[in-house]
Amino acid sequence: GQNIDQPTEMTATEGAIVQINCTYQTSGFNGLFWYQQHAGEAPTFLSYNVLDGLEEKGRFSSFLSRSKGYSYLLLKELQMKDSASYLCAVRGDDYKLSFGAGTTVTVRA
Amino acid sequence: IAGITQAPTSQILAAGRRMTLRCTQDMRHNAMYWYRQDLGLGLRLIHYSNTAGTTGKGEVPDGYSVSRANTDDFPLTLASAVPSQTSVYFCASSERETGELFFGEGSRLTVL
Repeated sequence: GQNIDQPTEMTATEGAIVQINCTYQTSGFNGLFWYQQHAGEAPTFLSYNVLDGLEEKGRFSSFLSRSKGYSYLLLKELQMKDSASYLCAVRGDDYKLSFGAGTTVTVRA
Repeated sequence: IAGITQAPTSQILAAGRRMTLRCTQDMRHNAMYWYRQDLGLGLRLIHYSNTAGTTGKGEVPDGYSVSRANTDDFPLTLASAVPSQTSVYFCASSERETGELFFGEGSRLTVL
């Protein structure tokens, strides 16, 4: 089975940095994904990590430690449009994606 | 614009009725998936298809069936809807089994 944990909610101020943590216990590991989902919309792909370390993509970065079963998504220079849910998903040994419940980030002016 | 089209966008259904949610993709992706999303539970896999002609069960398959007659279409059928199937349903596809998922806009289903 898969167990993926992430905080339910986070609040931050415009221009600030927020770090969303994700811990996982899964049957095998074949990569970790982060998706962004605005209210009432479809999830969209943000990042993919399969090796340990940091992947940077503009204002967003994602980190993975396979030995610790841990990842984080770092959002820098927060903008109002970053208010959304962020979904951590792990691909197990069956190659199917299992999702965490999501973290709702609210950006305040 | 290439992508995934789901229909209907929203539907209210009486319990016991049969319902088919349609999903069509024009990206020629091999793999397709159906997820349901419920508050506090996240996205859960219902059924999947790695390639046309094959299907498999996900985490929560009971009460649902799928078919994959061709590459583009992957309908999800509720044979006899129950209130616990009230949810938002997302169809997704990926170019290969190990690729990222692309999602449709979702179908909101309410079973009364």
